[in-house]
Amino acid sequence: DGGITQSPKYLFRKEGQNVTLSCEQNLNHDAMYWYRQDPGQGLRLIYYSQIVNDFQKGDIAEGYSVSREKKESFPLTVTSAQKNPTAFYLCASSPDRETEAFFGQGTRLTVV
Amino acid sequence: DAKTTQPTSMDCAEGRAANLPCNHSTISGNEYVYWYRQIHSQGPQYIIHGLKNNETNEMASLIITEDRKSSTLILPHATLRDTAVYYCIVRPAFQGGKLIFGQGTELSVKP
Repeated sequence: DGGITQSPKYLFRKEGQNVTLSCEQNLNHDAMYWYRQDPGQGLRLIYYSQIVNDFQKGDIAEGYSVSREKKESFPLTVTSAQKNPTAFYLCASSPDRETEAFFGQGTRLTVV
Repeated sequence: DAKTTQPTSMDCAEGRAANLPCNHSTISGNEYVYWYRQIHSQGPQYIIHGLKNNETNEMASLIITEDRKSSTLILPHATLRDTAVYYCIVRPAFQGGKLIFGQGTELSVKP
């Protein structure tokens, strides 16, 4: 089936460790996005990529890094510089800049 | 980007129409109105979008006022599975998945 796969669904890490969240899509979409959601809040854009080997910062990029080496993959690294990393992380993709985005099921990261 | 205002929560009886309002008084001419919903602990799901005209699909109808300053999402026959947070988002053309989410409306469909 075509779709966006985020893994794992739940992730636990110790404070001070970097952690990488996976996002893979087989929809042949050019654009991919990472969002963060805190309890009771809407989503906020972290990074986005319109094309392979290119990406831009969103509204809350500090403490995060991304890469886009392949069209189908857009991993997000939460670094130790991110002060409040515990959150629900959502990946999305869209075919182009005009079309609506489709979301994965999210990864819930807990840092202890 | 235009900001949207939605009620924090709403209730609806199962089988009745759910009408979710959204104000976007600062919307620009090239900005679309999008609606997404998010069931607890899942990724948001696209519902519908429009520019000026009313739109309908298999999930819902979108009514946009003539001055485009407000819109209403209509779920014609709400079911318990429609219980979710509904987000109204104004998005400029050519922005793809760059969306600015507010806090949305928490819709509770009750038996």
